[in-house]
Amino acid sequence: GAGVSQSPSNKVTEKGKDVELRCDPISGHTALYWYRQRLGQGLEFLIYFQGNSAPDKSGLPSDRFSAERTGESVSTLTIQRTQQEDSAVYLCASSLRRDQETQYFGPGTRLLVL
Amino acid sequence: GDSVTQMEGPVTLSEEAFLTINCTYTATGYPSLFWYVQYPGEGLQLLLKATKADDKGSNKGFEATYRKETTSFHLEKGSVQVSDSAVYFCALRFQAGTALIFGKGTTLSVSS
Repeated sequence: GAGVSQSPSNKVTEKGKDVELRCDPISGHTALYWYRQRLGQGLEFLIYFQGNSAPDKSGLPSDRFSAERTGESVSTLTIQRTQQEDSAVYLCASSLRRDQETQYFGPGTRLLVL
Repeated sequence: GDSVTQMEGPVTLSEEAFLTINCTYTATGYPSLFWYVQYPGEGLQLLLKATKADDKGSNKGFEATYRKETTSFHLEKGSVQVSDSAVYFCALRFQAGTALIFGKGTTLSVSS
């Protein structure tokens, strides 16, 4: 595909359940970012992957959040024991290399925790 | 800490009106500045950017000038169209490869 894709587009879950969100970056993009956008708020940085380097996890809000990336392709963001405050749109972005200014965003996954 | 502040919306304009969306930032240093746009049902797209003081970014009739003295990066367009209706986000970043810091977004609604 031409752009960043994310799945699912919408996810409704019950409080306490685990969820997995997927991001497929643009082919060849070595840098991948996850952001969260809660209602009425700006985007918050969560985690950043660059090639085979250790990820920058400084934005993860709690140890219930984790993310993995397989090489320079797919990434999954996992939220364990979801809480209502986790409800948000989760956005993934990729860029061609570390020194690229432009990040290309996916359409997001809208998560609702009941 | 570093932050971005945008004017609160929604901004409602008639077609062909002049648009200004204010953006100011707080940062220790000289970041690159960006405007992103999110059209209904679509992902965020880079609209324009400026990487140093006095640079002007422009795209699709939109402009913004990096003003170091006022720490601002206001978005302007001389004549908006209905198709410009979207959410606009101002953002900063200190170096490529780091995360963007976003404002809360401003919703623009243009009617014919």
